[in-house]
Amino acid sequence: ETGVTQTPRHLVMGMTNKKSLKCEQHLGHNAMYWYKQSAKKPLELMFVYSLEERVENNSVPSRFSPECPNSSHLFLHLHTLQPEDSALYLCASSQDPGNQPQHFGDGTRLSIL
Amino acid sequence: AQSVAQPEDQVNVAEGNPLTVKCTYSVSGNPYLFWYVQYPNRGLQFLLKYITGDNLVKGSYGFEAEFNKSQTSFHLKKPSALVSDSALYFCAVRGAGTALIFGKGTTLSVSS
Repeated sequence: ETGVTQTPRHLVMGMTNKKSLKCEQHLGHNAMYWYKQSAKKPLELMFVYSLEERVENNSVPSRFSPECPNSSHLFLHLHTLQPEDSALYLCASSQDPGNQPQHFGDGTRLSIL
Repeated sequence: AQSVAQPEDQVNVAEGNPLTVKCTYSVSGNPYLFWYVQYPNRGLQFLLKYITGDNLVKGSYGFEAEFNKSQTSFHLKKPSALVSDSALYFCAVRGAGTALIFGKGTTLSVSS
């Protein structure tokens, strides 16, 4: 149990669907992150929220839309995705500022048909 | 710009033998370095970190890492490998802000 819970664990969707990934952290952290993990590629940082404000957006296509309603919850809204978006999406949290490690959830395995 | 490199895609060791997973980094300023492990169908788990102080850092599950400033390396080590150590290992360096920059990962395979 890492203290970071992601739902759903698996998601299959068509390219025209709209879905959302959810992340919840129970660690009292104030920063949250979305990463994309594709086969044979390094982990890609997508978004960073600190104190509920988005502080980084690493050139992510607009078909991915993050939302952080409070310091414990983070969402990733998906619409009109492409087959290359199939990947493992990982959420993480940490305490900011400081050099504390990030704590990761187990991810959502997303498959685009 | 901050970056980290893991030169080996895979490391194979026999159970009971020492293991090393290599990592080199490039940063401006003081490096903040981390090692994570990922088991199949799981997220990344934190193993250890170097911020400052002793160059030999001890972490979870008997792992340790040696920080070498002159060689800009932060290799992960364990004196005696277990089959259960077989997993994907990531080295990371803290980039601008709080985000981490990860290496591409090294698959460790420990044979019995």
